[in-house]
Amino acid sequence: NAGVTQTPKFRVLKTGQSMTLLCAQDMNHEYMYWYRQDPGMGLRLIHYSVGEGTTAKGEVPDGYNVSRLKKQNFLLGLESAAPSQTSVYFCASSIDSLPNSNQPQHFGDGTRLSIL
Amino acid sequence: QKEVEQDPGPLSVPEGAIVSLNCTYSNSAFQYFMWYRQYSRKGPELLMYTYSSGNKEDGRFTAQVDKSSKYISLFIRDSQPSDSATYLCAMITYGNNRLAFGKGNQVVVIP
Repeated sequence: NAGVTQTPKFRVLKTGQSMTLLCAQDMNHEYMYWYRQDPGMGLRLIHYSVGEGTTAKGEVPDGYNVSRLKKQNFLLGLESAAPSQTSVYFCASSIDSLPNSNQPQHFGDGTRLSIL
Repeated sequence: QKEVEQDPGPLSVPEGAIVSLNCTYSNSAFQYFMWYRQYSRKGPELLMYTYSSGNKEDGRFTAQVDKSSKYISLFIRDSQPSDSATYLCAMITYGNNRLAFGKGNQVVVIP
């Protein structure tokens, strides 16, 4: 049981390049989330999905797009990477909407992205 | 003013000491309060979850919520080197899908 798997784990991009971060969960969770974590800023929600085929904006959605074509996968895209998007990106999933002490969010181990 | 304030530390304590962490918040609508633990280069994992004001205990960990003061705390008794991690507070209102996180507090327990 892998839980939440993020690929890649590390990536260096040049300004203006595009890339897609993949999140896969094997827990049959309905809800999936993308966060970014920056020093001094904590975790901030970028986008989330309440089920297959749905997406919604979070706190800091600008510059990112997402897709949830399959229930188990949640993709985060950067169309034209900027240095301000250098961060650690975390994906999370939960069986139901928050909050629920018995069904917390499960986080992946992050993707470290540097944009030069 | 940020919704959730948490002093990032870092906090160094000797093994066996009590660790005390806290967060303040400004949104009185927050109803659910959580503490996450995050080891280096890992994702956060839920440590404690509380709903109402008062104390909740789980082994060496105690979570405390004071809604009247908009203040939550986490206490770690008999701290161990394995407790060395970053601790993040988080809170949410019912029906909302967005957790509001604190910045995280790095704790180092020295053997």
